[in-house]
Amino acid sequence: DVKVTQSSRYLVKRTGEKVFLECVQDMDHENMFWYRQDPGLGLRLIYFSYDVKMKEKGDIPEGYSVSREKKERFSLILESASTNQTSMYLCASRSNRVGQTQYFGPGTRLLVL
Amino acid sequence: DQQVKQNSPSLSVQEGRISILNCDYTNSMFDYFLWYKKYPAEGPTFLISISSIKDKNEDGRFTVFLNKSAKHLSLHIVPSQPGDSAVYFCAASWGGNEKLTFGTGTRLTIIP
Repeated sequence: DVKVTQSSRYLVKRTGEKVFLECVQDMDHENMFWYRQDPGLGLRLIYFSYDVKMKEKGDIPEGYSVSREKKERFSLILESASTNQTSMYLCASRSNRVGQTQYFGPGTRLLVL
Repeated sequence: DQQVKQNSPSLSVQEGRISILNCDYTNSMFDYFLWYKKYPAEGPTFLISISSIKDKNEDGRFTVFLNKSAKHLSLHIVPSQPGDSAVYFCAASWGGNEKLTFGTGTRLTIIP
């Protein structure tokens, strides 16, 4: 079974703080993704990575950066958290094999005060 | 610009009846479509998919229909069960791309 884990389920941070969200997958997947989920907006892609040290911007990368130093780990960084970054953050991974789908972690609910 | 749209934010269905969730898309390049189900406090889980070379795919109680000319897909759940109460997202991709574009979701409530 594919397992995608996220470092925190709930996080409360203050405006201006640097925030790290960590994601780890145990299935040797090449691709990893960070989304945020907001009511009425669905899941929106922030960044994704198709290989170690590689990254691609998604639809809403502003205010975020990412790091992928190891294949199994993909980190999302909020350089200076703002209240509009309060959201549910979801990490996913996917193999390159044809027909594979994305597997999601349980999510991190981030509140920025 | 929302390329994948789910126009019904919520849907309530009696247990045992059919649930029909709808999804429309605007990008004609999309050639692979998926449905994900999400319970509160959990990540989405894959439910069923369909390639654009098909117009129907069935898996147990779940069937996905694709109408390419209308750029419309639907998910049918028959019979609906209380455990089906969740938020359902449709998603689309093209050209074997890893990137998925998600809809806004429909909250399905099954009434016992």
